[in-house]
Amino acid sequence: EAGVAQSPRYKIIEKRQSVAFWCNPISGHATLYWYQQILGQGPKLLIQFQNNGVVDDSQLPKDRFSAERLKGVDSTLKIQPAKLEDSAVYLCASSADSGSYNEQFFGPGTRLTVL
Amino acid sequence: GQQVMQIPQYQHVQEGEDFTTYCNSSTTLSNIQWYKQRPGGHPVFLIQLVKSGEVKKQKRLTFQFGEAKKNSSLHITATQTTDVGTYFCRASNYQLIWGAGTKLIIKP
Repeated sequence: EAGVAQSPRYKIIEKRQSVAFWCNPISGHATLYWYQQILGQGPKLLIQFQNNGVVDDSQLPKDRFSAERLKGVDSTLKIQPAKLEDSAVYLCASSADSGSYNEQFFGPGTRLTVL
Repeated sequence: GQQVMQIPQYQHVQEGEDFTTYCNSSTTLSNIQWYKQRPGGHPVFLIQLVKSGEVKKQKRLTFQFGEAKKNSSLHITATQTTDVGTYFCRASNYQLIWGAGTKLIIKP
């Protein structure tokens, strides 16, 4: 079974530029999560999708971050414009369903450096 | 908002010594999951605890859920170099909240 795929693996941009990350979850997984993990901290949930609908985006900085999962499969996360404090690893995860009892499977992450 | 305190932040041990990390919540949790993240890697699911007072074991790892379902612990007996990494708890009630992690470091 293929795991969660993410691209790119690394990205370096200057502040005020835009960047987009892509995630393809495990086949058949209805729920997709985007997390931000700053070095030395735990993952912070940015947004949770159930199929193509948003379940929780309470911690997404909506003035600069956006995410979509139009066909209920793969997803993109965009930052526009980027700030220095956005430097982090962006992790995508998927689970079979949206219930909190479901195990989450993580992709390898995208390491973003904002200069 | 809801928070989960995970302590300690780091634990340095000699290989063969034990390791313990604790997660504490101010509110009752529906369940708690534990994940391990190797250096440079991504979190990998270890186990889920659901019932009050639940204890689960995986080889040298013992996971406990408190009677009040507000705290949990992960204990590793006789650590090995393969145990190195950061251990996170992920708590659930109406939100998913991750602890800050405890980094297990094996002294050379």
